Amino acid sequence: DVKVTQSSRYLVKRTGEKVFLECVQDMDHENMFWYRQDPGLGLRLIYFSYDVKMKEKGDIPEGYSVSREKKERFSLILESASTNQTSMYLCASSLDRFYEQYFGPGTRLTVT
Amino acid sequence: SQELEQSPQSLIVQEGKNLTINCTSSKTLYGLYWYKQKYGEGLIFLMMLQKGGEEKSHEKITAKLDEKKQQSSLHITASQPSHAGIYLCGARSLSGNTPLVFGKGTRLSVIA
Repeated sequence: DVKVTQSSRYLVKRTGEKVFLECVQDMDHENMFWYRQDPGLGLRLIYFSYDVKMKEKGDIPEGYSVSREKKERFSLILESASTNQTSMYLCASSLDRFYEQYFGPGTRLTVT
Repeated sequence: SQELEQSPQSLIVQEGKNLTINCTSSKTLYGLYWYKQKYGEGLIFLMMLQKGGEEKSHEKITAKLDEKKQQSSLHITASQPSHAGIYLCGARSLSGNTPLVFGKGTRLSVIA
């Protein structure tokens, strides 16, 4: 079974803090994704990566950056957290970018 | 941009009853994925449909793909409390920055 893990289930940060969310997958997948999920807005893609050190912007990259130094690990960085970044963050991986994606358990981030 | 519309948005059914959730695409479907999400958790991949007319089952959940209608339906037979959650459909995106586009989900509650 594919396993995608995320570093924290719940996180509370203050406005202006730098926030790191980490995601690790154990299935040697090429592609990894970061989404945020908000009520009424559904899942929105922030960034994805199709290879080590490669990244592509999704629909809402503003205020975020990513890092993929190793194939199994994909990090989402909030350079200066703001209250409008309070959300559920979901990481996913897939063998091919258009194949089914496997999701981690999510990180609920609250920025106060 | 491609959009997936799910109906109904929410559903309350009595345990033991059958139900159907629909997912309609604004563009041609090339692969349709169904996911289930328990509240506050990640998405669990249920099944993928690729060809028109294709039908797949996972336990008591059956999904069908109607390419001509650009629609997929998810049918649950004899619903149980364990079926409760949010069901999301996803599809290969034909536009925009994201490889997969997702519907906003259908919230299912099963009452005794």
